[in-house]
Amino acid sequence: EAQVTQNPRYLITVTGKKLTVTCSQNMNHEYMSWYRQDPGLGLRQIYYSMNVEVTDKGDVPEGYKVSRKEKRNFPLILESPSPNQTSLYFCASRWGPRTDTQYFGPGTRLTVL
Amino acid sequence: AQSVAQPEDQVNVAEGNPLTVKCTYSVSENPYLFWYVQYPNRGLQFLLKYITGDNLVKGSYGFEAEFNKSQTSFHLKKPSALVSDSALYFCAVTAADRGSTLGRLYFGRGTQLTVWP
Repeated sequence: EAQVTQNPRYLITVTGKKLTVTCSQNMNHEYMSWYRQDPGLGLRQIYYSMNVEVTDKGDVPEGYKVSRKEKRNFPLILESPSPNQTSLYFCASRWGPRTDTQYFGPGTRLTVL
Repeated sequence: AQSVAQPEDQVNVAEGNPLTVKCTYSVSENPYLFWYVQYPNRGLQFLLKYITGDNLVKGSYGFEAEFNKSQTSFHLKKPSALVSDSALYFCAVTAADRGSTLGRLYFGRGTQLTVWP
């Protein structure tokens, strides 16, 4: 089944404790993104990647890191999480052209205490 | 700059009535427009998109949307709403200009649709 998977689905952590949210897609997509969803703000892009080893900042990259060492994986890293990073996070992928449909993972709900 | 506006935070309709969820956009070049739906505790699911051609686009679950270039709008419609249509709906836009956006998708803030029995 074609899908985007994220782990963990739920995470409660404390300020300053490094964490990684994994994202994997099995559709051989080139383009992958991370978004955060906050009430009243919709979805805001954190980082995106056009291909392996090619990443760039989105609208809200502060406090986040990403890497794209393999085509299928695009982990989101929070080196020192803070309470303002409490949010719902989505990974997404699409094959390439901007006309393509973007497929979303199920989401990761992160709480930083 | 690219942007999307969904002027209504909430839309309430009775089952069986037609529904409209509004979306207006701003892009520097020709737009590519999308609608996604989010059910509770789920990721976003694709509904439909406008790339070029016929201004009326038909999508999943009986939804359709009309692209109106003069009004820069892409409203989502359904002739007869179902209770199961209750969800959060997002409009999104990207532009055909390859140099400016690198294919980034910009989302509106979302509209919560509630269909009551």
